[in-house]
Amino acid sequence: EAQVTQNPRYLITVTGKKLTVTCSQNMNHEYMSWYRQDPGLGLRQIYYSMNVEVTDKGDVPEGYKVSRKEKRNFPLILESPSPNQTSLYFCASSFTGFNGYTFGSGTRLTVV
Amino acid sequence: AQTVTQSQPEMSVQEAETVTLSCTYDTSESDYYLFWYKQPPSRQMILVIRQEAYKQQNATENRFSVNFQKAAKSFSLKISDSQLGDAAMYFCAYRRDRGRGSTLGRLYFGRGTQLTVWP
Repeated sequence: EAQVTQNPRYLITVTGKKLTVTCSQNMNHEYMSWYRQDPGLGLRQIYYSMNVEVTDKGDVPEGYKVSRKEKRNFPLILESPSPNQTSLYFCASSFTGFNGYTFGSGTRLTVV
Repeated sequence: AQTVTQSQPEMSVQEAETVTLSCTYDTSESDYYLFWYKQPPSRQMILVIRQEAYKQQNATENRFSVNFQKAAKSFSLKISDSQLGDAAMYFCAYRRDRGRGSTLGRLYFGRGTQLTVWP
């Protein structure tokens, strides 16, 4: 089944404890992105990648890191999480062109 | 960053009636794509309908159709014969895949419209 797999789905952590949210797609998509969703603000892009080893900052990159060593994987790293990073996170992937992005199921992160 | 504006934070509709959700966007490009995504309480993002900017004909997918006004940079979603299962957050999104620049290939979202469907 073609899909984007994010893990974990729920995570509660403490301030300052490094964490990684994994994202994997099995559709050979070039583009991958991370978004955070907050009430009233819609989905804001954190980072995106046009292909392996090619990444760029989105609109809200502060406090996050990414890497794209393989085409299928695009992990999101929070080196020192803070409470303002409590949010719903989505990973998404796409080919170029008319195809919309395919989204993962989301990760609900709480930083206390 | 590209700007996508959804001016209606909330809308409601009676079951079986028709509702229209508004979306405007800001771009200087002539070639781009527009999308509507649905997010039900399960929080999954589901692609509802898409439109290519160079096509004048409005896209239709069953009960969902769009009114694409390129000159006005408007992209509204019409839901006909509304059903209880249509209740969700709806997001309008913009994407450009040709030309150059740092926004290439990125998907930009509006803030969403929460649709309630009354029985």
